[in-house]
Amino acid sequence: ETGVTQTPRHLVMGMTNKKSLKCEQHLGHNAMYWYKQSAKKPLELMFVYSLEERVENNSVPSRFSPECPNSSHLFLHLHTLQPEDSALYLCASSQDPPGQGGENTEAFFGQGTRLTVV
Amino acid sequence: AQSVTQLDSHVSVSEGTPVLLRCNYSSSYSPSLFWYVQHPNKGLQLLLKYTSAATLVKGINGFEAEFKKSETSFHLTKPSAHMSDAAEYFCVVSDHRRRYGGSQGNLIFGKGTKLSVKP
Repeated sequence: ETGVTQTPRHLVMGMTNKKSLKCEQHLGHNAMYWYKQSAKKPLELMFVYSLEERVENNSVPSRFSPECPNSSHLFLHLHTLQPEDSALYLCASSQDPPGQGGENTEAFFGQGTRLTVV
Repeated sequence: AQSVTQLDSHVSVSEGTPVLLRCNYSSSYSPSLFWYVQHPNKGLQLLLKYTSAATLVKGINGFEAEFKKSETSFHLTKPSAHMSDAAEYFCVVSDHRRRYGGSQGNLIFGKGTKLSVKP
């Protein structure tokens, strides 16, 4: 619907598992983002990929590892997660990368992956 | 520094009555402002966007918002609520010249307002 597709929609994983979240955007945008949405907390930006450059929020644990093979695809690799990592993980894209002077920096979001760590 | 405050965490209206969701912002520059809607277990959908053109912005589903610089406000309104409007709404401020910053990046999200619509 929004041009940003996330898979899977739901994921239950154990703390010793390794899994990956996938995001694909069909909008020709130049920046892609991973956000974490936990109950009763503001939306938290985890990673930004912009014109091949990666910027990360330094507070994100190393058990989250992003990969952006091209401008249309974004992955989030997960390993040895903790129960507090359970959340809705949202992928987004924008036409203009942030901080480059373009006005089209609004984010278009996917439907999210509901992750539960047991 | 930029910030955004959504003044109500929860608003309840009856179907057919007006909706007002309040948002105040703080920005050192001329900001872009957005409203997003999120239905349960879904992603965020862009409702409307202000970028220094007309101060009254019309969005999807009958929503509109008015940018008032003197009041640093960007309130979201709708003349008549539908049951399908029940969702969480986020006000967002962006400085398109700002690259990244902390856990919010260049988009600063409010904490959200949950809208309930009674039959």
